[in-house]
Amino acid sequence: DAGVIQSPRHEVTEMGQEVTLRCKPISGHDYLFWYRQTMMRGLELLIYFNNNVPIDDSGMPEDRFSAKMPNASFSTLKIQPSEPRDSAVYFCASSSTGRLHSNQPQHFGDGTRLSIL
Amino acid sequence: AQTVTQSQPEMSVQEAETVTLSCTYDTSESDYYLFWYKQPPSRQMILVIRQEAYKQQNATENRFSVNFQKAAKSFSLKISDSQLGDAAMYFCAYRSAFDSGYALNFGKGTSLLVTP
Repeated sequence: DAGVIQSPRHEVTEMGQEVTLRCKPISGHDYLFWYRQTMMRGLELLIYFNNNVPIDDSGMPEDRFSAKMPNASFSTLKIQPSEPRDSAVYFCASSSTGRLHSNQPQHFGDGTRLSIL
Repeated sequence: AQTVTQSQPEMSVQEAETVTLSCTYDTSESDYYLFWYKQPPSRQMILVIRQEAYKQQNATENRFSVNFQKAAKSFSLKISDSQLGDAAMYFCAYRSAFDSGYALNFGKGTSLLVTP
């Protein structure tokens, strides 16, 4: 079975440019998460969706960040305009509800390493 | 918000030996889940082991086991018969059991070095 697929794997761009990160969750999973990993802050949640609806976006740093999930098989995280401090590894993860209160684990994509020059 | 603390930024173990990685967490919830993820240099996040808070029995997956102390809010990972391939960053993570809390709260990680 295919896992969570993220693209691109690496992105290098100049400050001020628009950046779009993409994610395809595991088929059948109804939760999708975007995390950011930096040396200073570790792994932190940006936003997560349930059945394509954003549930918690309190981790989105500022208005320059936006995320969408137009359908169950695709999500994007967009940064516009990008800044050097946005440089990080961005992970997408997905999980299924399973039984109520079950411990369904999150499956992670390989991440996108973003470098803003 | 729940916080997860990994007090050991780096640990080292000799091949074939046993090492224990520490994790503590702070929560007022009674029902939750705990996880250990491994991140090798390839950057993948790989689930190692998971524990339900309502289970008293400690989880075990082959060479990996946990020591879950609910009252002490402690969740340590023991790696037995360490192998070179175990070298990685290890992250402890907490997840609420309630509908609004499906996201993971991660610790800052412990870097494990395995020496021949």
